[in-house]
Amino acid sequence: GNSVTQMEGPVTLSEEAFLTINCTYTATGYPSLFWYVQYPGEGLQLLLKATKADDKGSNKGFEATYRKETTSFHLEKGSVQVSDSAVYFCALSDPPYGQNFVFGPGTRLSVLP
Amino acid sequence: GAGVSQSPSNKVTEKGKDVELRCDPISGHTALYWYRQSLGQGLEFLIYFQGNSAPDKSGLPSDRFSAERTGGSVSTLTIQRTQQEDSAVYLCASSLVGGAGPGYTFGSGTRLTVV
Repeated sequence: GNSVTQMEGPVTLSEEAFLTINCTYTATGYPSLFWYVQYPGEGLQLLLKATKADDKGSNKGFEATYRKETTSFHLEKGSVQVSDSAVYFCALSDPPYGQNFVFGPGTRLSVLP
Repeated sequence: GAGVSQSPSNKVTEKGKDVELRCDPISGHTALYWYRQSLGQGLEFLIYFQGNSAPDKSGLPSDRFSAERTGGSVSTLTIQRTQQEDSAVYLCASSLVGGAGPGYTFGSGTRLTVV
């Protein structure tokens, strides 16, 4: 079956540090890939997405590239801020118009001033 | 409304009682989903509504769980005879069309605690 694996948290970084959160997936078809973010006390928000190989999703300084050869969709940001502290979920949808997502367990990020 | 609204935001109930959780999706969104987020776990799919089609109930963990969507808008998730393992955050999401194209919009969730 389909699955998503993320690096375990929590991840603690200092402000302006470089962030990488690893995500790998297994899928029977050709999925769409997503990163969602959940800020404290809020619901999930779509952060970025990619629908085909080599696509790069980007938003709010975050980037992730769809790597079919390594079945990965790692999230990166060059310089994190305290306001980026949240839980980040990697997800896939297979097929792309499937009725439900498969989510990873989430990675909690804490950014210290 | 402007976003997906869920109520109540918090619910504490005694084991064995029934609870109802409400989701009010974004106006015009035909697809509605319920997920469960247990402590330290990822999101678990529960049920999916798409327009007037029969819902996909494949994720409901037991027959104590049911959901309905009236008039293609508001949805209610009902848990009967609650158990402690039902304690979780229940998230509702809606999207304009079924599937992943536009991504989902999630509500803030209902935190259910069964004591």
